[in-house]
Amino acid sequence: QKEVEQNSGPLSVPEGAIASLNCTYSDRGSQSFFWYRQYSGKSPELIMFIYSNGDKEDGRFTAQLNKASQYVSLLIRDSQPSDSATYLCAVLSNTGNQFYFGTGTSLTVIP
Amino acid sequence: NAGVTQTPKFQVLKTGQSMTLQCAQDMNHNSMYWYRQDPGMGLRLIYYSASEGTTDKGEVPNGYNVSRLNKREFSLRLESAAPSQTSVYFCASRSDSSTDTQYFGPGTRLTVL
Repeated sequence: QKEVEQNSGPLSVPEGAIASLNCTYSDRGSQSFFWYRQYSGKSPELIMFIYSNGDKEDGRFTAQLNKASQYVSLLIRDSQPSDSATYLCAVLSNTGNQFYFGTGTSLTVIP
Repeated sequence: NAGVTQTPKFQVLKTGQSMTLQCAQDMNHNSMYWYRQDPGMGLRLIYYSASEGTTDKGEVPNGYNVSRLNKREFSLRLESAAPSQTSVYFCASRSDSSTDTQYFGPGTRLTVL
């Protein structure tokens, strides 16, 4: 079983809709969770991190964490064509040294 | 403040050749990382360094060596390149807080023929 699993997509949503991206992880001791956005040919950039159960909102982005279910999600409200990218879920190991990445979900926002 | 820099940006090698990928950060971070990214495989950790003078293996270390030259620099060496090492390589750094993210360099696209 991989440490972090994501649906690879592709996920397509119309402009203005909500995009929902999901991630599950295997290590119950993990404490910190990160969402990165990666445009084609570019390096990953941080969108949000979360470490407490519940929701965390930042502008159009909301991260949700459920440690009991070992589940992290990212909601993008009012999706824009500029949100079209691959979204990577990352989990910091319980030792605090290593990040484990999912394979990424490709999102396309259709104008 | 350049963040994380990597050289070269592109490289083509023949099987058996060696090369070193360079990475430097100017954010005074303790931890540095080397990843490779292949289609459909996500980012996989090759080696990391939690502090100057220490290095540890990640998920896919075979065929690679690393050197943490000082706090700023962390290099990745391929001693005898193989076609299976064709990939995009990213260097990253972060501070020690558990909520601190990694900052990535622009990447090196390596092709081994």
